[in-house]
Amino acid sequence: EAGVTQSPTHLIKTRGQQATLRCSPISGHTSVYWYQQALGLGLQFLLWYDEGEERNRGNFPPRFSGRQFPNYSSELNVNALELEDSALYLCASSQTRTSAGGELFFGEGSRLTVL
Amino acid sequence: QKEVEQDPGPLSVPEGAIVSLNCTYSNSAFQYFMWYRQYSRKGPELLMYTYSSGNKEDGRFTAQVDKSSKYISLFIRDSQPSDSATYLCAMSRGGSNYKLTFGKGTLLTVNP
Repeated sequence: EAGVTQSPTHLIKTRGQQATLRCSPISGHTSVYWYQQALGLGLQFLLWYDEGEERNRGNFPPRFSGRQFPNYSSELNVNALELEDSALYLCASSQTRTSAGGELFFGEGSRLTVL
Repeated sequence: QKEVEQDPGPLSVPEGAIVSLNCTYSNSAFQYFMWYRQYSRKGPELLMYTYSSGNKEDGRFTAQVDKSSKYISLFIRDSQPSDSATYLCAMSRGGSNYKLTFGKGTLLTVNP
């Protein structure tokens, strides 16, 4: 069974540009989470989508946004890129209705570099 | 005070050693506790998953949760070079809140 897949693997942008990252969850998983892993900061929670709705949002500015599609795949958009947005962006999925405690399965991540 | 504290290491041990990794937390609402392993340039993979206080064993790995002390541990017995990775503790309140709060991770190197 395929795991969580993310694209692109690497992305290089310049300040002020926009970046779009994509995620396909494990088949049967309805929840998608986005985390940012910046050097020295650990994993920081960005967004949680379930059944097409945004359920929770971390302490990030509004220029970080996303959506979940009817097939449960998800997209993360980062507008007006800043140098400190350079990080590994990780997507995870879970079976919301059967996993009470947030057992997440992560993808390999998309590494965003902002120059 | 951060919600989850984890010693970043790095930790270097010889092959065969017993490794102890720890996290402390401040939010008493956390009910579910996890350990993830992350190899370099890879996404985290779930290693151990426990609910509330107690121990859980899976092969060479044992996870312990002490909610009264707000302290969780991961023990690795007979450590192998393939165990070299960053270990992340994570926890959640469960219920309708599935957000995981992570520690910063401990970098472990097991030397042959």
